[in-house]
Amino acid sequence: GENVEQHPSTLSVQEGDSAVIKCTYSDSASNYFPWYKQELGKGPQLIIDIRSNVGEKKDQRIAVTLNKTAKHFSLHITETQPEDSAVYFCAASKVAGYKLSFGAGTTVTVRA
Amino acid sequence: NAGVTQTPKFQVLKTGQSMTLQCAQDMNHEYMSWYRQDPGMGLRLIHYSVGAGITDQGEVPNGYNVSRSTTEDFPLRLLSAAPSQTSVYFCASGGETQYFGPGTRLLVL
Repeated sequence: GENVEQHPSTLSVQEGDSAVIKCTYSDSASNYFPWYKQELGKGPQLIIDIRSNVGEKKDQRIAVTLNKTAKHFSLHITETQPEDSAVYFCAASKVAGYKLSFGAGTTVTVRA
Repeated sequence: NAGVTQTPKFQVLKTGQSMTLQCAQDMNHEYMSWYRQDPGMGLRLIHYSVGAGITDQGEVPNGYNVSRSTTEDFPLRLLSAAPSQTSVYFCASGGETQYFGPGTRLLVL
């Protein structure tokens, strides 16, 4: 099955700085890569996703890049704010939304 | 829309007890799934369903049963709880975008 590795496990940044989380996957057949944000006591919520036919996608302060050859993808958060503090998960699947395989998560703390 | 709802929010069981975690969605999604979340391991797929009457195993199905008699409901059953099943359980539904419920925190003593 698919194996998704995520680094770092914890990330502390100063407010206004950028945060980068990296993931690698093992199954070359995977072609859908979502990122989820989980706030304390809540379920994960989709924040951005990318498909294998796209190299980069942006949505305001967040962006995701994908390198299919190297089988890795990354989440970039610019101009971090306190409300960005949360646990972020990357995931991968062969069909969008179907049988997602998740990374272990990154706890992001934005220092004021 | 209430989205995805899960009950109970928190449960304590003794080893060997059984229970059912409830999940319901009001978005008319065919696809529903159950995950468990453990520290340092992310979310792992337990069971999933592509429609009423159709279920299949995910990555960690042992010790859990599911059924899907309606589009709205997808309960998860623990037949004989074990301490290794102490976890936070999330139900999700959706198409390309998966919507997660608020979770059920389960402690097995």
